Amino acid sequence: KAGVTQTPRYLIKTRGQQVTLSCSPISGHRSVSWYQQTPGQGLQFLFEYFSETQRNKGNFPGRFSGRQFSNSRSEMNVSTLELGDSALYLCASRLGQGALETQYFGPGTRLLVL
Amino acid sequence: AQSVTQLGSHVSVSEGALVLLRCNYSSSVPPYLFWYVQYPNQGLQLLLKYTSAATLVKGINGFEAEFKKSETSFHLTKPSAHMRDAAEYFCAVIHSGSARQLTFGSGTQLTVLP
Repeated sequence: KAGVTQTPRYLIKTRGQQVTLSCSPISGHRSVSWYQQTPGQGLQFLFEYFSETQRNKGNFPGRFSGRQFSNSRSEMNVSTLELGDSALYLCASRLGQGALETQYFGPGTRLLVL
Repeated sequence: AQSVTQLGSHVSVSEGALVLLRCNYSSSVPPYLFWYVQYPNQGLQLLLKYTSAATLVKGINGFEAEFKKSETSFHLTKPSAHMRDAAEYFCAVIHSGSARQLTFGSGTQLTVLP
């Protein structure tokens, strides 16, 4: 089975722009979670989608949003980019929403905001 | 709220030496605990997880971890370090209740010296 794929892998944007990141989960997985990784704050949960519905949301401003499509692919959008949004954005998929179900991570999208 | 603390942001060991990476958890209920590894420019890979079935958990690549309730610890060990073990290691706990997202520790960078 193919793993979790994320596109693009690298992205450079300027302040004030918006960006859309894409995540394709492992085939058959219906849950997709997004995490932000920065040197200062570490790994932080953004949100989780299951069956096209946002199930959980972390403590991030409304500029961060996401959605999930019927084929379980997910996108996250960041509007009005700030320098502090520079980070590695990781997507993880799992079969369902069970606490013990392994989350499989993609390689991430590295976003640099200038 | 559940959280994990990783003691030591950087650990160096010689090749062939014991690897010990420390993780302490804070939880009001029995937690589900995980260790993930992140190699440079890659996403996270699950090493092992504690599900309360056994206190000693064996994972991939020769790693294991022991759940000690009395010490609220879940330290990761490997008897003999290899150069390929050099990576960043994250301890994580899953939230109980309806939220199912991972909360990560700050990470420990493992360096293996020849």
